[in-house]
Amino acid sequence: AQKITQTQPGMFVQEKEAVTLDCTYDTSDPSYGLFWYKQPSSGEMIFLIYQGSYDQQNATEGRYSLNFQKARKSANLVISASQLGDSAMYFCAMREGDDYKLSFGAGTTVTVRA
Amino acid sequence: NAGVTQTPKFRILKIGQSMTLQCAQDMNHNYMYWYRQDPGMGLKLIYYSVGAGITDKGEVPNGYNVSRSTTEDFPLRLELAAPSQTSVYFCASRAGTGAEQYFGPGTRLTVT
Repeated sequence: AQKITQTQPGMFVQEKEAVTLDCTYDTSDPSYGLFWYKQPSSGEMIFLIYQGSYDQQNATEGRYSLNFQKARKSANLVISASQLGDSAMYFCAMREGDDYKLSFGAGTTVTVRA
Repeated sequence: NAGVTQTPKFRILKIGQSMTLQCAQDMNHNYMYWYRQDPGMGLKLIYYSVGAGITDKGEVPNGYNVSRSTTEDFPLRLELAAPSQTSVYFCASRAGTGAEQYFGPGTRLTVT
């Protein structure tokens, strides 16, 4: 079974608007964490944000926030005030246990329009 | 700090050839990982290591081998290259504390 599901293959967003990227996960481990990574066309993997399963508050990092709904097993990424430089592929990933092995979703391509 | 470095950046192999993808980190991280990314897909874990001398299989280990003789280096060996191993390979490292994995720039491998 897929551990991470990203159902939106591609999205368009207008510059300065907010965009929400969906991510659902499946695990029976009580200790886990959710990550979001950005991969621009140049190919590198850029860490954006992390949410641990025991964290009480939703994670935020600048214009990125993670909408963590534990009961629904969802960890959506919200990018506020989109910029042209936000155009990239975005991956949701999950770690289970203490070794921090990551399982990745298939990704969502975001294109920001001027 | 150079962070995580990978060599080579690009490589073309013929079927049946062997090669080693190099990965090094200068952050004294205990944890190191190898992932592969097929076109249009997410990354899949090949092997990982929790410290020098300790390695373990990930989700897709077949056709690969690793070793971890030092904290800094984590080479990935392909013994008999197959077209199915055409992919981009990423190495990553993580400190014992903290969640973030630091990724290298990747190696693009084509097997023909």
